[in-house]
Amino acid sequence: DIQMTQSPSFLSASVGERVTLSCRASQNINKYLDWYQQKLGEAPKLLIYNTNNLHTGIPSRFSGSGSGTDYTLTISSLQPEDVATYFCLQRNSWPYTFGAGTKLELK
Amino acid sequence: QVKLQQSGAELVKPGASVKLSCKTSGYTFSTSYMSWFKQIPGQSIEWIGMIYAGDGGTGYNQKFKGKATLTVDTSSSTAYMDLSSLTTEDSAVYFCARYYSADWYFDFWGPGTMVTVSS
Repeated sequence: DIQMTQSPSFLSASVGERVTLSCRASQNINKYLDWYQQKLGEAPKLLIYNTNNLHTGIPSRFSGSGSGTDYTLTISSLQPEDVATYFCLQRNSWPYTFGAGTKLELK
Repeated sequence: QVKLQQSGAELVKPGASVKLSCKTSGYTFSTSYMSWFKQIPGQSIEWIGMIYAGDGGTGYNQKFKGKATLTVDTSSSTAYMDLSSLTTEDSAVYFCARYYSADWYFDFWGPGTMVTVSS
C-alpha cells in the first residue's frame, strides 16, 4: 500500500496568513492526489483534485501543487471558516490511502 | 442536486452484522460508482471499496475483504454495505461517496453513519 505522510500534524495560524500544508507519498502517485477539508462532525469536503484542480464552489484562496511524491495545499489568506482538519488522498493505485491529516487552528 | 442520505446510527453487539444504506438522488445512479469509507473519530479515513451500480462489480481494500460486502439496488438508487462479525474495532463512522467517473474523484459524500459495537 502507498503510505501518505502529512506535515505538520498541527498548525496554528493567524487570519490573513498564507498557510502551506504538505503531503508526501511513499512512491510516485502521478499527480493523483486530492485534498479534503473536514470540519468536526461533518463529512470530508473535496477541495482540490488531481493535484491542482479546484473543485466547484471552492474559494480561489485554495490551491494545490506538486508532482511525483511531494504535494502541497496552500491557503493564500487564511479565513476563520478554514479551521478544520485537512486530509490528502492518493488515487494512483488501490487501495486508495489517506494521510493522517493536518489540524489547522487560528492563532 | 446530488444528495446522499445515509441510514441512522447503529448500536450492535459483538459478533453481529449490520447493513448500512446510502440513498441517492439528483443523478443517474445506475451508471455510477460508489465507494465506502471508515473513520474512527479523531483518526484518519480508510477506503473500504467501490461498487459500480451498472453491473454490481466490486473492488475492495484487502483489509476489508470478508468484513464488508457492497451491493446496490438500482430500482431505489440505493447503495448498501454489509459489515459482518463485528468487533469493537469496527466502531466508527462510515461514509458513502460518489466516485465521479468523468475525472475520477469523490465529489459528493453522505453525512456518515455511526456504528457502535458494544455488548
